[in-house]
Amino acid sequence: DAKTTQPNSMESNEEEPVHLPCNHSTISGTDYIHWYRQLPSQGPEYVIHGLTSNVNNRMASLAIAEDRKSSTLILHRATLRDAAVYYCILRKPNYQLIWGAGTKLIIKP
Amino acid sequence: EAGVTQSPTHLIKTRGQQATLRCSPISGHTSVYWYQQALGLGLQFLLWYDEGEERNRGNFPPRFSGRQFPNYSSELNVNALELEDSALYLCASSPRAGYGETQYFGPGTRLLVL
Repeated sequence: DAKTTQPNSMESNEEEPVHLPCNHSTISGTDYIHWYRQLPSQGPEYVIHGLTSNVNNRMASLAIAEDRKSSTLILHRATLRDAAVYYCILRKPNYQLIWGAGTKLIIKP
Repeated sequence: EAGVTQSPTHLIKTRGQQATLRCSPISGHTSVYWYQQALGLGLQFLLWYDEGEERNRGNFPPRFSGRQFPNYSSELNVNALELEDSALYLCASSPRAGYGETQYFGPGTRLLVL
């Protein structure tokens, strides 16, 4: 079964870049890679997604390995508001999302 | 633009009762998804509705059911509640039924079964 593996937690200093890794070695060719984040007592918030090529948006960048077995979410300048649990997710063609356990990102002032 | 809304925010029921949770998608979105998030765990996919029809369901028993109305709002019904049904139930919507589409989540309904 497809799944994603992420570190339980990571720490970073404010205003520094953050690289959040994700392994998805069982990914299928048609699976999209999505990233969401979730603050306490809130619903998940979309961050970014991609299929094969690297992607950039106003929130973050997504770097996808050439073999697609791993990806990295990059926050270019972390702020205290970026502290959240970040989920790396595979989206299947049948619309199911395969969620990992998430990485708790701690930002130190 | 209003986001996805869910009601109620909290719901307390006892074992064996039925719970009804409601979701209003973002205006113009036709697809609605339901997820269960048990405490400390990731989201588990429950149901997907698009254009009024159930398109897919996750590995949950039939006592989890729902529907989508002509205005694209949706209802999740959980019958014969069990203690382990206590969780945060999240609804998401997307503008189209493409599997690469972004899903926008509501704040959730926290269901407690006593």
